Amino acid sequence: QLVESGGDLVEPGRSLTLSCAASTFTFVAYAMHWVRQRPGEGLQWVAGISWGGDTVVYADSVRGRFSISRDNDKRFLFLEMNSLRPEDAALYYCAKDIGGALGGGVYTPLALDVWGQGTTVTISS
Amino acid sequence: QSALTQPASVSGSPGQSITISCTGTSSDVGASRSVSWYQHSPGKAPKLIIYDVNNRLSGVPSRFSGSKSGNTASLTISGLQTEDEGDYYCSSFTTTNTLLQFGGGTKLTVL
Repeated sequence: QLVESGGDLVEPGRSLTLSCAASTFTFVAYAMHWVRQRPGEGLQWVAGISWGGDTVVYADSVRGRFSISRDNDKRFLFLEMNSLRPEDAALYYCAKDIGGALGGGVYTPLALDVWGQGTTVTISS
Repeated sequence: QSALTQPASVSGSPGQSITISCTGTSSDVGASRSVSWYQHSPGKAPKLIIYDVNNRLSGVPSRFSGSKSGNTASLTISGLQTEDEGDYYCSSFTTTNTLLQFGGGTKLTVL
């Protein structure tokens, strides 16, 4: 099970950190991702992190502004979002990959089999 | 605009079969077996139904099947049921800087 938190109403240019608490599976064994859905739009992959945290990858639209990280001891996934823009407003989901790696010569299914219910980020001045 | 192209909507009657296409390029769908399909109903979390092109997740009915030919992946649902209504998304590995991308989504209506 995954439970996201941290969504809020923030002004453009500000920062926000989302959290995702994991339970009922061996968190340390799996890659994790953030996926968002803007109002009225489809799913958009945001960022991913390998099981050990050594590989992180970002969508072009957030690279340089967002940072994904994880705490395997506490079973948490994070998304630090800086320089927020109106187009970052969305429902943010955290999701578990069925594999542990993210590239690096290891086949990566990139299939997300456990999802949270999402947390909403609203951007407005 | 999504890099993977899906039809905006498809419809069918109960018992019929439908196919949803997901067209990409040789840099994504055509480059890897990392193609998945998700079902997403309003107010619920997305649900993985197919991974690695044609593998059903445990518990997914056998009437859901996936395939791929070249740069196009497909999801077929046979024996449509009313509970199959919802939005369906494909996703694929991509060789670009962005690791993973989703299609624009297809709304399935069971008439």
